[in-house]
Amino acid sequence: KAGVTQTPRYLIKTRGQQVTLSCSPISGHRSVSWYQQTPGQGLQFLFEYFSETQRNKGNFPGRFSGRQFSNSRSEMNVSTLELGDSALYLCASSPSGTGNTEAFFGQGTRLTVV
Amino acid sequence: AQRVTQPEKLLSVFKGAPVELKCNYSYSGSPELFWYVQYSRQRLQLLLRHISRESIKGFTADLNKGETSFHLKKPFAQEEDSAMYYCALSGGGSGGYQKVTFGTGTKLQVIP
Repeated sequence: KAGVTQTPRYLIKTRGQQVTLSCSPISGHRSVSWYQQTPGQGLQFLFEYFSETQRNKGNFPGRFSGRQFSNSRSEMNVSTLELGDSALYLCASSPSGTGNTEAFFGQGTRLTVV
Repeated sequence: AQRVTQPEKLLSVFKGAPVELKCNYSYSGSPELFWYVQYSRQRLQLLLRHISRESIKGFTADLNKGETSFHLKKPFAQEEDSAMYYCALSGGGSGGYQKVTFGTGTKLQVIP
């Protein structure tokens, strides 16, 4: 069974630009969550999608948005990039998204904003 | 609001010494708690969950509701235990769906 796949692995963008990151969950998993990982803040929850609907949202500005498609693949978009958005963005999938199930993480997309 | 606190950013221990990675949580209901681990150049992965009451790679964690803690312990550290460890809590998010909150992580460094 293929694991969670995130593309691209690395990205360099300029301040003010926008970026789209992609996540393909494990086959059969309907829940996809996104996290921002930085050395100082650890893992911060961005949002969670289940069956194309956003179920939970973290405390990030509206510049951060996402969506999920009918095949459970998910995209995350960040508009008007700021230097502070530089981070590793992780995607995790789980079968149903209920809290006591294991989340499977992708390798992440390393975003650098210059 | 749910919160997970890992007070130590870095924990250095000698090989063979006991390890305790601290995790405290804040949550009004009955939480589900987990420990995730990230080895160098590998994906973040589940180590153990409190509901399973299992020991994985010699690690155990007991949920203490009175102290709102879920510390991760191992009696004898091994070099291969060196990694980043995250404590996580699953609790009520919006709309009744559960949301997972992670701590900031503790880097465990086992000195040979």
